[in-house]
Amino acid sequence: DAGVIQSPRHEVTEMGQEVTLRCKPISGHNSLFWYRQTMMRGLELLIYFNNNVPIDDSGMPEDRFSAKMPNASFSTLKIQPSEPRDSAVYFCASSLDGGLNTEAFFGQGTRLTVV
Amino acid sequence: AQTVTQSQPEMSVQEAETVTLSCTYDTSENNYYLFWYKQPPSRQMILVIRQEAYKQQNATENRFSVNFQKAAKSFSLKISDSQLGDTAMYFCAFHGQNFVFGPGTRLSVLP
Repeated sequence: DAGVIQSPRHEVTEMGQEVTLRCKPISGHNSLFWYRQTMMRGLELLIYFNNNVPIDDSGMPEDRFSAKMPNASFSTLKIQPSEPRDSAVYFCASSLDGGLNTEAFFGQGTRLTVV
Repeated sequence: AQTVTQSQPEMSVQEAETVTLSCTYDTSENNYYLFWYKQPPSRQMILVIRQEAYKQQNATENRFSVNFQKAAKSFSLKISDSQLGDTAMYFCAFHGQNFVFGPGTRLSVLP
């Protein structure tokens, strides 16, 4: 398996524009996590899906952020409208549900810069 | 909600020496796992070691070992015989209802 695949690797956009980040989890994994990493806040959990259903979105910072998982092999994180303070590295991770011992496998991350 | 704290933002160690990174967590759950992840400059998150909360025996993976104190909710990582390739950010993580990470410790291994 190619692992968790995120696209794009880098995104530069202007303030006010819509940004969509994409994630393909590892085949067979049924838990998916979106994290945001910044120097100030570290690695923050934004939202967690299980079997394509959002379980906990309490980490989503504002209504400008939304996430979907239309099927088991694809998820998106959308920011509309984007702001400079959204600049960060966004990670997607997946794991095999059913066991707390299962690690989260991470994608390479998307570095977002909002200017 | 669970919280994970790493009180050492940065640490350094001489090559071949031993270093210990600290981690504490707060939870009301009884069943959970704890992990240490490494993030080198490549940005890739790599699992280093995991610990089952119901096991008293501390996990060991080659040069990496943990000191798990459940009552104190403490989960430190010891790296023995440090190597230059160990230079990275290290994150402690709690997996219970959610998968939550600490703020990280930046470790530099000096030649």
